[in-house]
Amino acid sequence: EAAVTQSPRNKVTVTGGNVTLSCRQTNSHNYMYWYRQDTGHGLRLIHYSYGAGNLQIGDVPDGYKATRTTQEDFFLLLELASPSQTSLYFCASSESHSGNTLYFGEGSRLIVV
Amino acid sequence: GDSVTQTEGPVTVSESESLIINCTYSATSIAYPNLFWYVRYPGEGLQLLLKVITAGQKGSSRGFEATYNKETTSFHLQKASVQESDSAVYYCALGGAGNTGKLIFGLGTTLQVQP
Repeated sequence: EAAVTQSPRNKVTVTGGNVTLSCRQTNSHNYMYWYRQDTGHGLRLIHYSYGAGNLQIGDVPDGYKATRTTQEDFFLLLELASPSQTSLYFCASSESHSGNTLYFGEGSRLIVV
Repeated sequence: GDSVTQTEGPVTVSESESLIINCTYSATSIAYPNLFWYVRYPGEGLQLLLKVITAGQKGSSRGFEATYNKETTSFHLQKASVQESDSAVYYCALGGAGNTGKLIFGLGTTLQVQP
């Protein structure tokens, strides 16, 4: 069964800390996405990728970097974490932009103290 | 711009009652919008509930239905008789060709079904 797996599922870090969120998909999908979900804001797109080595800027990219090392793996990097980045992060993949069905991971909850 | 507005939650209904969660959209940069309902059960990721890519068509899944109404730019989610297991967060979303694969989500509506 196709799957999107995120790690870690929960993370607490200090302000200024360095955090990497990992996402791996076994869907053989080209497209991968990182969203954050906050009360009052719904899901907001941070970065996305069309394939290995490709990176596209989303709607709320400030403070985040991302890297797509392979078709399967997409990483979200917070190099200087701030309390405003406390959130629930979702990774997703899709086969193409036509039809747009996204397959989501279970989420990574990050707390920055 | 492109946006999605849905019923503010939480919405609380009793088991076996009917449900409607409203969703309206604005698709100024998407010529042929695709519309989706996603659901997130506690402790899980979002999963697709239903989608409709053609105006005038209805999608259905797990007893839920939604009709793509281009005239009113709406995609309301309905269920005739809810169950306690339907308690979850429901997201309406908008996407389509020309939007580089991005989905635009509503804020989500928390549904609480009381036994």
